Amino acid sequence: AQSVAQPEDQVNVAEGNPLTVKCTYSVSGNPYLFWYVQYPNRGLQFLLKYITGDNLVKGSYGFEAEFNKSQTSFHLKKPSALVSDSALYFCAMRDLYGGATNKLIFGTGTLLAVQP
Amino acid sequence: NAGVTQTPKFQVLKTGQSMTLQCAQDMNHNSMYWYRQDPGMGLRLIYYSASEGTTDKGEVPNGYNVSRLNKREFSLRLESAAPSQTSVYFCASRREGGSETQYFGPGTRLLVL
Repeated sequence: AQSVAQPEDQVNVAEGNPLTVKCTYSVSGNPYLFWYVQYPNRGLQFLLKYITGDNLVKGSYGFEAEFNKSQTSFHLKKPSALVSDSALYFCAMRDLYGGATNKLIFGTGTLLAVQP
Repeated sequence: NAGVTQTPKFQVLKTGQSMTLQCAQDMNHNSMYWYRQDPGMGLRLIYYSASEGTTDKGEVPNGYNVSRLNKREFSLRLESAAPSQTSVYFCASRREGGSETQYFGPGTRLLVL
């Protein structure tokens, strides 16, 4: 079965400190992985994706994620957090066995709170 | 470029009432999706449409119907709303050809009393 897990419901970090939002996945095959961000009362915005190639993926707003196949992880990182980064973050994986659906399988989300 | 738009932004229904959620995209994408977002459950796929004129069920289709009116528009209908359908509904679209990225609308908050 395919699944995406975000083990932390909430991550708290002080402004200026590095942040990590964790994501692990389970799939038989090579995953297509995504990070989306949702600001309050807004839709999901695409941050970055891993399809193939370099394990370190850079995305919008200074975020990056590292694909680790041996640990089946795709953690989101940023060297220096901003208060404006406070939002709900979703990790997602493309359903490899859904045929033409190409649907996304989402984690439950992690609320990032950056304190000034 | 508007991207994916949804109407209404917020709606309150009484149990048993019907309504249609509208979605449109101006990116010329073939694939469109309807998801619902519930606390602690992430997003779950209700229905999707791979192209104009085709629709298929997702994980949680019960109580919903969809119409892919044309390439731009994909509507979601609740025939007889139930409190369990209280949720935030997101429409998304995707371009074929390697991008794999889905683009989401701003969402519709639905409260069923």
